[in-house]
Amino acid sequence: DTAVSQTPKYLVTQMGNDKSIKCEQNLGHDTMYWYKQDSKKFLKIMFSYNNKELIINETVPNRFSPKSPDKAHLNLHINSLELGDSAVYFCASSLRGGLETQYFGPGTRLLVL
Amino acid sequence: SQQGEEDPQALSIQEGENATMNCSYKTSINNLQWYRQNSGRGLVHLILIRSNEREKHSGRLRVTLDTSKKSSSLLITASRAADTASYFCATDEGTGGFKTIFGAGTRLFVKA
Repeated sequence: DTAVSQTPKYLVTQMGNDKSIKCEQNLGHDTMYWYKQDSKKFLKIMFSYNNKELIINETVPNRFSPKSPDKAHLNLHINSLELGDSAVYFCASSLRGGLETQYFGPGTRLLVL
Repeated sequence: SQQGEEDPQALSIQEGENATMNCSYKTSINNLQWYRQNSGRGLVHLILIRSNEREKHSGRLRVTLDTSKKSSSLLITASRAADTASYFCATDEGTGGFKTIFGAGTRLFVKA
């Protein structure tokens, strides 16, 4: 069984569109994250949620809105997509915050044309 | 700001050789973790070392931590072609752990 899953795996869309990426974890973890990995492989945290509550928002534009309907899900909605949003987005989870091992999803490769 | 900085950025070695990667960070930490990323995949956790530990082993991996120098190293012994991947260090910046900062990574290529 996949521990952390993301859908879709690939997303190609036009500038200005709105898109969502879904993430689910079946590990019973309390904390979930979204990361953005750019073309140079630099991985930057965007958001972290603990028990459905937003803990970290790392100066991400308002166009990005995470939503956690329950502890097992953390979705990412992006409005008005821009070229610079093209990247790989990773979801991750951990038992309790970053002091514990994080388990990563396979990533969603977003290409904005 | 980027917390972890890996060195070297890229490393190419022959199978059987040892590979050493270094990571430096800026602020105090509670723990430091190393992750591996194979091409086109998500990150996989390798090892976690807490701030009160100096060395940790896991199979062919050896991690050291020097909090006075704010640095860590990852040693992979007897490397294999399957070790070809990018390796990242990650720290919690001494916070409650909800903000994990990753370095830029070291790209390791092991030639068969």
